[in-house]
Amino acid sequence: KAGVTQTPRYLIKTRGQQVTLSCSPISGHRSVSWYQQTPGQGLQFLFEYFSETQRNKGNFPGRFSGRQFSNSRSEMNVSTLELGDSALYLCASRPDVGGNQPQHFGDGTRLSIL
Amino acid sequence: SQQGEEDPQALSIQEGENATMNCSYKTSINNLQWYRQNSGRGLVHLILIRSNEREKHSGRLRVTLDTSKKSSSLLITASRAADTASYFCATDALSSGNTGKLIFGQGTTLQVKP
Repeated sequence: KAGVTQTPRYLIKTRGQQVTLSCSPISGHRSVSWYQQTPGQGLQFLFEYFSETQRNKGNFPGRFSGRQFSNSRSEMNVSTLELGDSALYLCASRPDVGGNQPQHFGDGTRLSIL
Repeated sequence: SQQGEEDPQALSIQEGENATMNCSYKTSINNLQWYRQNSGRGLVHLILIRSNEREKHSGRLRVTLDTSKKSSSLLITASRAADTASYFCATDALSSGNTGKLIFGQGTTLQVKP
């Protein structure tokens, strides 16, 4: 079974631009979560989607948004990029929203803002 | 803010030795999970321990959970050079309502010397 796939792996943008990152969950997994990882703040939860609905959102500005499609694939968008948005963005999937399920992570998209 | 605190921040041992990492957290949890991250890669799930469990084993890994002290430990026995990585604990807080929001510690960087 293929794992979580994130594209692209690397991305370079400049301040003020916007970016869209993509995540394909493990086949059959319907819940997708996004995390931001930086050296200073560590791993921080962005949001979770299930059945095309956002179920929870972390403490990030409105410039960070996401969506989920009917095939469970998810995208996240960051508008008006700032230098501080440089990070590794990780996507994770799990079968559904029942309790006590591990999350399976992709290798991430490394976003660099110049 | 980060709920999990881990110590030590860094650990260097020889192959064959045991490695112990500790994690403390702040609020009531559904479960606690341990993940491994190799440099530049995504997170790999190691073990999930539920709040009503005290100890769990998986191969060379042993995890304990003390909910009264809000702490957990990960023991890797007979370490190998391939175990070199960063290790993170992550809590699924009761307050998150199974929304997939994990709160991560800052991680322990383990180096196993051949």
